[in-house]
Amino acid sequence: GNSVTQMEGPVTLSEEAFLTINCTYTATGYPSLFWYVQYPGEGLQLLLKATKADDKGSNKGFEATYRKETTSFHLEKGSVQVSDSAVYFCALSTPYSGNTPLVFGKGTRLSVIA
Amino acid sequence: GAVVSQHPSRVICKSGTSVKIECRSLDFQATTMFWYRQFPKQSLMLMATSNEGSKATYEQGVEKDKFLINHASLTLSTLTVTSAHPEDSSFYICSALSLSGGKGNLEPYEQYFGPGTRLTVT
Repeated sequence: GNSVTQMEGPVTLSEEAFLTINCTYTATGYPSLFWYVQYPGEGLQLLLKATKADDKGSNKGFEATYRKETTSFHLEKGSVQVSDSAVYFCALSTPYSGNTPLVFGKGTRLSVIA
Repeated sequence: GAVVSQHPSRVICKSGTSVKIECRSLDFQATTMFWYRQFPKQSLMLMATSNEGSKATYEQGVEKDKFLINHASLTLSTLTVTSAHPEDSSFYICSALSLSGGKGNLEPYEQYFGPGTRLTVT
């Protein structure tokens, strides 16, 4: 079945440090890939997505590239801020395969200190 | 702006009572909605798939008689936690699947999440 594996946290970085959160997936067909962010006490917000191989999703300085050859969708940001402290979830879906839900990774908690 | 709303955002109830949580899709019709549960510092666990006009499909291990789901219209699904107990305390999140895109710039076949409902059972 479909699955998502993302690096275990928590991750603690100093402000302006470089961020990488690894995400790999297993899926049949051609999944769409997503990164969601959850700020403390809130629901999930879509951060970025990519729907086909070699697509790069980007938003708010974050980016991730859909790598079919390595089945990966790693999240990166060149310079993190304290306000980026949150939990980040990698997820996949297989659209056009019926009304299937998103499959989530376990989440990676990021703490950015000033 | 928000495309999926949940009500209430926070609820405290006594053990043994029932609580209803509403999930509404705004500006688009959702034949399918999903209900997730999230424990502290953990990922989202899919509880059930709610289909408009038919019975919900529950994931393995989720008690359908305890977590009643009703999807009576194309914009509303409800989750009722019956005879709640402290172990039901959790963060419940719904999502709605946009099939055709609806109004605005909604993407088809994309899930839009509600802000979540924090349930505390005392």
